[in-house]
Amino acid sequence: QVQLVESGGGVVQPGRSLRLSCAASGVTFSSFAMHWVRQAPGKGLEWVAVISHDGSKKYYADSVKGRFTISRDNSKNTLYLQMNSLRAEDTAVYYCARDPAAVAGPMDVWGQGTTVTVSS
Amino acid sequence: SYELTQPPSVSVSPGQTASITCSGDKLGNTYASWYQQKPGQSPVLVIYQDTKRPSGIPERFSGSSSGNTATLTISGTQAMDEADYYCQAWGSSTVVFGGGTKLTVL
Repeated sequence: QVQLVESGGGVVQPGRSLRLSCAASGVTFSSFAMHWVRQAPGKGLEWVAVISHDGSKKYYADSVKGRFTISRDNSKNTLYLQMNSLRAEDTAVYYCARDPAAVAGPMDVWGQGTTVTVSS
Repeated sequence: SYELTQPPSVSVSPGQTASITCSGDKLGNTYASWYQQKPGQSPVLVIYQDTKRPSGIPERFSGSSSGNTATLTISGTQAMDEADYYCQAWGSSTVVFGGGTKLTVL
């Protein structure tokens, strides 16, 4: 059974950095594009970034472009999100999700999420 | 930037049909997907490529698309269908989610 498990969330001060991980199991990880999606408290879903199956294509939301970097290590079945220059508005639950098509969605498997709180 | 517009809320009586719309000026050229999210849970894909239903999703969930509007329809709505629903599409080299619709089953 396909499983995605996020980790790396926590409380961080504004301006600092954090790296999230998403470990995949039960799936041929290298065959799928992967997304990061976040949800601020009480708000809707906000797409963050996507990476193609081989890492050759990456796309970002305007709100994180230049601050966040998506990457993957197919040998470790793991997706990453490096978050720099964090702001209060980055506070959210961060989900990783599998994309069985290319980079445009849909997202057919989601992790349980990891919480990031940016606060002084 | 590209936007998808959904009604904030929809109410339906048990056993009746609920329809949730999603409008966006690029929807005529790209597929829409729909996700269900219950409180405290991760989203679940219920419709993709406008009309397709993943395995395990009940047949009462269906999707359609016409022009710049995609629609999620739930026939014979059950209490367990009460949730937030989000549409999603690709546009301008980004993924976009609609603002979400809270479905209340009264």
